[in-house]
Amino acid sequence: GESVGLHLPTLSVQEGDNSIINCAYSNSASDYFIWYKQESGKGPQFIIDIRSNMDKRQGQRVTVLLNKTVKHLSLQIAATQPGDSAVYFCAEKIQGAQKLVFGQGTRLTINP
Amino acid sequence: GAGVSQSPRYKVAKRGQDVALRCDPISGHVSLFWYQQALGQGPEFLTYFQNEAQLDKSGLPSDRFFAERPEGSVSTLKIQRTQQEDSAVYLCASSLRQNSNQPQHFGDGTRLSIL
Repeated sequence: GESVGLHLPTLSVQEGDNSIINCAYSNSASDYFIWYKQESGKGPQFIIDIRSNMDKRQGQRVTVLLNKTVKHLSLQIAATQPGDSAVYFCAEKIQGAQKLVFGQGTRLTINP
Repeated sequence: GAGVSQSPRYKVAKRGQDVALRCDPISGHVSLFWYQQALGQGPEFLTYFQNEAQLDKSGLPSDRFFAERPEGSVSTLKIQRTQQEDSAVYLCASSLRQNSNQPQHFGDGTRLSIL
């Protein structure tokens, strides 16, 4: 299928290493943040979310960190596997609104 | 299946034709969203429904774009007099409740190509 994100920033990691994907969001009034994973030919797949009253949330092999002071969000993936190869998007929701505003996206590639 | 279903998966149309894209949200989900994703970009918001009410259509790029959700379940995005710049992937998403911080769950989209 056609690739998503042909000219996106790319992060290459060795299989088994930890990955950190960063995102700068735009609006200080955003109260909810989501990380999505998008594989070629598929829709965005929910990974993990965090509300603005938290600064860290953990899931299975993933951790999201939120720094509201500098409007920065990060996704940490532990023990990266080949199946983690995809484009990763952060998205923010402004308080009072319903729509999501997506960041640029980062392509994660796994080296064997 | 239990996820958001979109059809057709691929649509090719000639410039000037009308197209209709369908979205079946997750059963029971109140909120439904349409996004447009250009190649190499993140999804961009088009419109939002709460049940059958279209509460936000601020992202629709022109009056050629029209969306409806008449019974509060299935939604259709219609594009009239298509133009080449309409070529993109059109994504539908649904979430369980409105006015709360709930994740939006996406379908696999309809890839629209205008010749």
